[in-house]
Amino acid sequence: DIQMTQSPSTLSASVGDRVTITCRASQTISSWLAWYQQKPGKAPKLLIYKASSLESGVPSRFSGSGSGTEFTLTISSLQPDDFATYYCQQYKSYSTFGQGTKVEIK
Amino acid sequence: EVQLLESGGGLVQPGGSLRLSCAASGFTFSSYAMSWVRQAPGKGLEWVSAVGNGGGSTYYAGSVKGRFTISRDNSNNTLYLQMNSLRAEDTALYYCARGGILATLSYFDYWGQGTLVTVSS
Repeated sequence: DIQMTQSPSTLSASVGDRVTITCRASQTISSWLAWYQQKPGKAPKLLIYKASSLESGVPSRFSGSGSGTEFTLTISSLQPDDFATYYCQQYKSYSTFGQGTKVEIK
Repeated sequence: EVQLLESGGGLVQPGGSLRLSCAASGFTFSSYAMSWVRQAPGKGLEWVSAVGNGGGSTYYAGSVKGRFTISRDNSNNTLYLQMNSLRAEDTALYYCARGGILATLSYFDYWGQGTLVTVSS
């Protein structure tokens, strides 16, 4: 099974900060990686697919990069609506989610 | 507008069974793979199972293989998850999610709001 490890687990940041979340796969997954945002009591929302493709309607301050085993999600300038939990997901072999990164207000 | 509406959750005793349904609308259901993803209270997301657009290919997480069965009825635009031999650790909010049009294993671009399954005596 492919394991996905996100870091950090929690991130404290301020509005306007540049934020980076890392996701590492236990084996190579090429670019078969997606990123989601989830707010309390809501379903996850797709942000990025195929490692770096921005989902339609998602603000351009979100970007994804990486391939193989190491990936990053970057928020270029954190907005009040961005405080949430973020998950990565591999879909190279079956499917696995990372444990999540909570972005909280500093 | 794409809509996914789950139902069938509830309280069940350990060892019991439950069947979840997901009614889909707003897209050509028979063209897309579909999945179930669950989230235990206060925990992260866990992929459970996927089914190809025609229903012929199915995949399961190791934690549910042999106990859960995914299926779909393309004539009624409905996805199902039959859950048998339920355990306390199956307690979670179960989401229905739309997968890919070309591959059974994919990212999920639309999600339902979930149905809660509680396994307890």
